[in-house]
Amino acid sequence: SAVISQKPSRDICQRGTSLTIQCQVDSQVTMMFWYRQQPGQSLTLIATANQGSEATYESGFVIDKFPISRPNLTFSTLTVSNMSPEDSSIYLCSGNRGPNTEAFFGQGTRLTVV
Amino acid sequence: GENVEQHPSTLSVQEGDSAVIKCTYSDSASNYFPWYKQELGKRPQLIIDIRSNVGEKKDQRIAVTLNKTAKHFSLHITETQPEDSAVYFCAASIQGNQFYFGTGTSLTVIP
Repeated sequence: SAVISQKPSRDICQRGTSLTIQCQVDSQVTMMFWYRQQPGQSLTLIATANQGSEATYESGFVIDKFPISRPNLTFSTLTVSNMSPEDSSIYLCSGNRGPNTEAFFGQGTRLTVV
Repeated sequence: GENVEQHPSTLSVQEGDSAVIKCTYSDSASNYFPWYKQELGKRPQLIIDIRSNVGEKKDQRIAVTLNKTAKHFSLHITETQPEDSAVYFCAASIQGNQFYFGTGTSLTVIP
């Protein structure tokens, strides 16, 4: 599996501001994904980051709130826009190298909105 | 998207006993089923996976079974050890495009 470096590892943000989370993979991956995980809860898929095109969002998530970029096969960003306390969560990026292969994860970003 | 259900949500076993976690999925197009272990404050790590052309797979103390007709798959851990204590997630994927996770099982192995 590849190594994903995610940053920041944690942040405390004021409501109404935006935070951009970055993920860098040490080698090319086919697919990249962004998840949200409340402490003690499951992973909820936000979107699939597509290289060179708009991300594919899951139901309940929209581009204006969670804009995503993927300029190449090793890098992606997720922005959490106009944050509210309800956005407090752990955000994880993930990638895999092709069909029916494992998804591996970044270490997560613990976001607290105050 | 895919809907994955997982049971039980918590599981306590004595060291040396077996643990079984069960998952069901809704989309018959799902064909890849990984299992992840997540320790507190850490990222999920793959422990075993199974593809839809296989009914069972084993790796030392861990095994996974898949019943495509019934759309369910299970994780079996034998001879449990305290270091097996963690949260376990099942997932279903269609060709590795989008992974949908179950609700998680918190496993505690009592020494």
